Amino acid sequence: DVKVTQSSRYLVKRTGEKVFLECVQDMDHENMFWYRQDPGLGLRLIYFSYDVKMKEKGDIPEGYSVSREKKERFSLILESASTNQTSMYLCASSLGTGGYEQYFGPGTRLTVT
Amino acid sequence: EDQVTQSPEALRLQEGESSSLNCSYTVSGLRGLFWYRQDPGKGPEFLFTLYSAGEEKEKERLKATLTKKESFLHITAPKPEDSATYLCAVQARSNYQLIWGAGTKLIIKP
Repeated sequence: DVKVTQSSRYLVKRTGEKVFLECVQDMDHENMFWYRQDPGLGLRLIYFSYDVKMKEKGDIPEGYSVSREKKERFSLILESASTNQTSMYLCASSLGTGGYEQYFGPGTRLTVT
Repeated sequence: EDQVTQSPEALRLQEGESSSLNCSYTVSGLRGLFWYRQDPGKGPEFLFTLYSAGEEKEKERLKATLTKKESFLHITAPKPEDSATYLCAVQARSNYQLIWGAGTKLIIKP
């Protein structure tokens, strides 16, 4: 079975802090994704990566950056956390991009105070 | 504009009462349609992928079907443990991103 793990289930940070969310997949998948999920807004793509050191902006990249130094690891960085970044953050991976399902991690509930 | 609409927003059923969830989509060339289950506070769990009209897939009490405009997730004789939010997503041939529906919250009462 595909396993996607995220570094924290719950995280509380202060406004202005730099926040790192890490994601690791164990199935040698090419593609990795970061989403945020908010009530009433559904799943929104922040960034995705289709190869090591490669990244593409999703629908809402503002305020975020990513890093993919190794194939199995994809990090989301909030350079200066703000209260409107309080959300559930979900990492996913897929074998390829065309017609392949994505497998999700358990999520990180981030609260910025 | 590519979009996905799920209905109803919420559905309450008695245990054993069969029903269907709908996912309507408009996309310029469908590459794939995906169904997921999401429990509260957890990440979505992959259920099915459908690629072409007429295709059907089954898993336990769930059966997914696909037409050129919509997909149905049929649930037969549901149990309380089937309670979850069910998400639908589509991928167009022109774009690798998934377009997500808002989900249907299914509640099965014992």
